[in-house]
Formats: sequence, C-alpha cells, structure tokens
Amino acid sequence: EIVMTQSPATLSVSPGERATLSCRASQSVSSNLAWYQQKPGQAPRLLIYGASTRATNIPARFSGSGSGTEFTLTISSLQSEDFAVYYCQQYNNWPPWTFGQGTKVEIK
Amino acid sequence: EVQLLESGGGLVQPGGSLRLSCGASGFTFSSYAMSWVRQAPGKGLEWVSGISGSGGSTYYADSVKGRFTISRDNSKNTLYLQMNSLRAEDTAVYYCAKMLRIVVVAAIDYWGQGTLVTVSS
Repeated sequence: EIVMTQSPATLSVSPGERATLSCRASQSVSSNLAWYQQKPGQAPRLLIYGASTRATNIPARFSGSGSGTEFTLTISSLQSEDFAVYYCQQYNNWPPWTFGQGTKVEIK
Repeated sequence: EVQLLESGGGLVQPGGSLRLSCGASGFTFSSYAMSWVRQAPGKGLEWVSGISGSGGSTYYADSVKGRFTISRDNSKNTLYLQMNSLRAEDTAVYYCAKMLRIVVVAAIDYWGQGTLVTVSS
C-alpha cells in the first residue's frame, strides 16, 4: 500500500499570502495525484487531478505541481473561503487508493 | 447538475448489517466508475470500495474485504454498499463518490453529502 504523507499538519497563513502544501508518496505514483479541499461539515471538493489539472470551476489561484513522489499544492493568494483542510490522494497503485492525513490551513 | 444522495445510514449493533444506497442524477451513470469513501469522526478520508461503470470490476480496501459488497444498478442510477459484520471501527460518515472516468483508476470529481453509520451497542 502506498503511504501518502502531507506536510505540514497545520499551516497558519494570513489572508492574501501564499500557501504551499506538500504531499509525498512512499513510491512513485506518476502524475496520478489529486488534491481535495474539505470545509467543516461538508464533503470534500476536487481541486486538482493529474497532479496539475484544475478541476471545473476551480479558481486559478490554486495550482498543483510535481510527479513521481513529490507534489505541491500552491494557493497563490489566500482568500477567506480557502481556510480548510486539504487532502492529497493517489490513484496510481490500487487498490487501495490512499489519502494523505490532511493539512489544515488556518488563519494566522 | 451532478447530484449524489446517500441514504441508509444509522445506528447498528456490532455484528449487524446495513445497506447504503446512493441515488445519482445529472450525468450518464453507467459511464462512470463510482466509489465509497468514509471518514471516521474527526479523522481523515479512507477509500472503502470502488466499482467500474459496467459493474464488472469491483475493488475493496483490506479493512472491509469479505464484509462489504459494492454494487450498482445502472437502470436505476443507484450505487449500493452492503455492509455486514459491522465493527465499531466502521463508524464513519460514508460518502458516495463519482469518478472522473468509467474505470476506477481516476480521481473523484463529485461527492455526496454523506450518511453517518454508527456501530455501537
């Protein structure tokens, strides 16, 4: 089973600042990596798939990069609605698909 | 608009059974793989099971293999999860999820709102 490790666990950022979230896979997942955003009491929402393709209606301030074992989600200028928990997920080596433990982006 | 509506959750005793359903609308159901993903209270996401668009291929996490069965009725646009021999550690919100492709090797592009399953005596 591929283990996905996200860092940091919590990221404190001021509105308007840039946020950089990391996700590492225990072995190569090629570009089969997705990022999801989850707000309290809500279902997750797809942000990025294929490591760098934004999903439908996702603002351009969200961008993804990386391949193999190292991936990054960047939020270029944090808006109030972006404070949430973010999960990465690999869908290359399955089953099972595996998620990272999440990074909470909180207001500094 | 894609909509996924789960039902069937509730309180069940250890060793008991539940059947979750997910009604889908707003897309051609048979053209997409589907999954169930769960989230224990205060915890992260755990993929549980997946099924191809035709229903011919099914996949399970080791934690539920032999106890849970995923199925779909493409004529009714409905996804199911039959859960038997439930354990306390199965307590979670269960999300119905639509995959981006007809095969299961894909990201999830839509999620239902979830249904809570509580396993407790």
